[in-house]
Amino acid sequence: QKEVEQDPGPLSVPEGAIVSLNCTYSNSAFQYFMWYRQYSRKGPELLMYTYSSGNKEDGRFTAQVDKSSKYISLFIRDSQPSDSATYLCAPPSDSNYQLIWGAGTKLIIKP
Amino acid sequence: AAGVIQSPRHLIKEKRETATLKCYPIPRHDTVYWYQQGPGQDPQFLISFYEKMQSDKGSIPDRFSAQQFSDYHSELNMSSLELGDSALYFCASSLSPNTGELFFGEGSRLTVL
Repeated sequence: QKEVEQDPGPLSVPEGAIVSLNCTYSNSAFQYFMWYRQYSRKGPELLMYTYSSGNKEDGRFTAQVDKSSKYISLFIRDSQPSDSATYLCAPPSDSNYQLIWGAGTKLIIKP
Repeated sequence: AAGVIQSPRHLIKEKRETATLKCYPIPRHDTVYWYQQGPGQDPQFLISFYEKMQSDKGSIPDRFSAQQFSDYHSELNMSSLELGDSALYFCASSLSPNTGELFFGEGSRLTVL
């Protein structure tokens, strides 16, 4: 079992919908959680990160962490075709800060 | 704003040949990472450098080597190339090694024939 699990998708939703992307992890020592977005044939780019349980909002994006259930979510409001990408959750290792990557969820927003 | 620059963007090699990839980190970033990403896979960490010293090692084959130079640019040298080495190779940089905030380059696509 991988330390970080994501449904690879693809997840296909109509434009304007609210998108929920999820990630589970097994190591309770993870202290904070990064969400990276990767467009096809491009490098990952950091979307947002959160340190603690609860919600963090940045524009149309909200990251949510539930440490009691080891569950991470990324919500996208008013989804746009330009949001079509693969979303990877990646908590840094508690020992050496190397990112522990999930497999990524491929998101498709249909116009 | 300056980004991470990688070269070449595309590279085609024959089996058993050698390839060298270059990475120029964002100015003032002292940590460089190399990742390999196959189609539909998450990035696999190869190696990282902090202040020109190797700081961590991942799943880098013995046929590969890397270094960071005095100007902080890094090079990944790959020898005895195999078909399975065909992948996207990303370089990333960060302000320090104790952060998950990495800035990735556009990647170098290596095709081994």
